Amino acid sequence: GEDVEQSLFLSVREGDSSVINCTYTDSSSTYLYWYKQEPGAGLQLLTYIFSNMDMKQDQRLTVLLNKKDKHLSLRIADTQTGDSAIYFCAESKAGANNLFFGTGTRLTVIP
Amino acid sequence: NAGVTQTPKFRVLKTGQSMTLLCAQDMNHEYMYWYRQDPGMGLRLIHYSVGEGTTAKGEVPDGYNVSRLKKQNFLLGLESAAPSQTSVYFCASSSRGFFTDTQYFGPGTRLTVL
Repeated sequence: GEDVEQSLFLSVREGDSSVINCTYTDSSSTYLYWYKQEPGAGLQLLTYIFSNMDMKQDQRLTVLLNKKDKHLSLRIADTQTGDSAIYFCAESKAGANNLFFGTGTRLTVIP
Repeated sequence: NAGVTQTPKFRVLKTGQSMTLLCAQDMNHEYMYWYRQDPGMGLRLIHYSVGEGTTAKGEVPDGYNVSRLKKQNFLLGLESAAPSQTSVYFCASSSRGFFTDTQYFGPGTRLTVL
């Protein structure tokens, strides 16, 4: 199946690290994505990782992929108030013209 | 560049009414998509287009029709609106397909069907 699951809420203090988790069920996933949605706006692609990679780092963002457990995480270092948003993970499969999104995790950064 | 724009931003319909949502992009993208977002759920693909004059069904196409007469525009139609179609609708575009290519999203249209 294409179920993608995330916890709904996460609160962190400004300056701390945030870790947002995602689990997926389809082992044939090719790419896994993290999107950010700010209030009243569309989704913005933050980063993506190919399924044969374990880790990808991009400035304050670190993506970890555990294929054995079908677990994806997004770590945001030095979390700022501007990071407050809903974060969606999504997966795609080769040959399938569809992205499957998780339910989204609402990150609240406390000043 | 305006990116991806959507009109209208808000709309309230009565059951059985029809309407068309317009998506426009000025990035010369080949691919365009319509998604719906419901509370507590991720985005679900309604229809998509891989180029001018083409359309294809996504995950939840029933009750919707689309047209891509011009490369820059992708229209989503509801012929007979139902309360189950109350949702936030997002349009997106990309220069290539789903894999690795960034999808650029519009700001969304909030539709309420009474």
